[in-house]
Amino acid sequence: QLQLQESGPGLVKPSETLSLTCTVSGGSISSSSYYWGWIRQPPGKGLEWIGSIYYSGSTYYNPSLKSRVTISVDTSKNQFSLKLSSVTAADTAVYYCARHSWGYSSGWYVAFDIWGQGTMVTVSS
Amino acid sequence: QSVLTQPPSASGTPGQRVTISCSGSSSNIGSNYVYWYQQLPGTAPKLLIYRSNQRPSGVPDRFSGSKSGTSASLAISGLRSEDEADYYCAAWDDSLSGYVFGTGTKVTVL
Repeated sequence: QLQLQESGPGLVKPSETLSLTCTVSGGSISSSSYYWGWIRQPPGKGLEWIGSIYYSGSTYYNPSLKSRVTISVDTSKNQFSLKLSSVTAADTAVYYCARHSWGYSSGWYVAFDIWGQGTMVTVSS
Repeated sequence: QSVLTQPPSASGTPGQRVTISCSGSSSNIGSNYVYWYQQLPGTAPKLLIYRSNQRPSGVPDRFSGSKSGTSASLAISGLRSEDEADYYCAAWDDSLSGYVFGTGTKVTVL
């Protein structure tokens, strides 16, 4: 059974870079059928897609965060990572990694079907 | 600010039918599939409906999705206490070139 687990610092200082890693177990990150994404949720608020990556390294970012986001993949470790630079208090959130399908058939389909448990990241000095 | 609008709350008594709306535009719901996610308190979201009206394996048939034009709906029939959660719609947006989530609806079982 495929599982995803986020890891990384729970506290980041303002203006620094937030770094998280998602470890995939029970399956290969190199599956040709899926992409791997990051989603965040500020306390008491809704969900926001941050970006996604394919095992080949192709990336797709939320335009509103694109200038600060880098997502990378390490197929040898079955992991993918998120870096968010110049963080502020507004970046405080639970960060989820998730697997998703992505394709086009009479419309774009993107389904996040397996999620990690999430990790809380607080931006504070 | 999300481009997909949902009512902030909905409620019903056990056994009732509850419907949640999701209003979008021609660049998202109007041209792409809609997805619904259920988020129980303190847990990660769970895929509830995909491709607008399909249920993943294991999701009860009490949950159903539909789409018409630039709006979509999630219906929960035979409401149960364990359905108390936040529900989010989502879709790809062609104009934004991004995946967008709805504002979320909290369902309360009275």
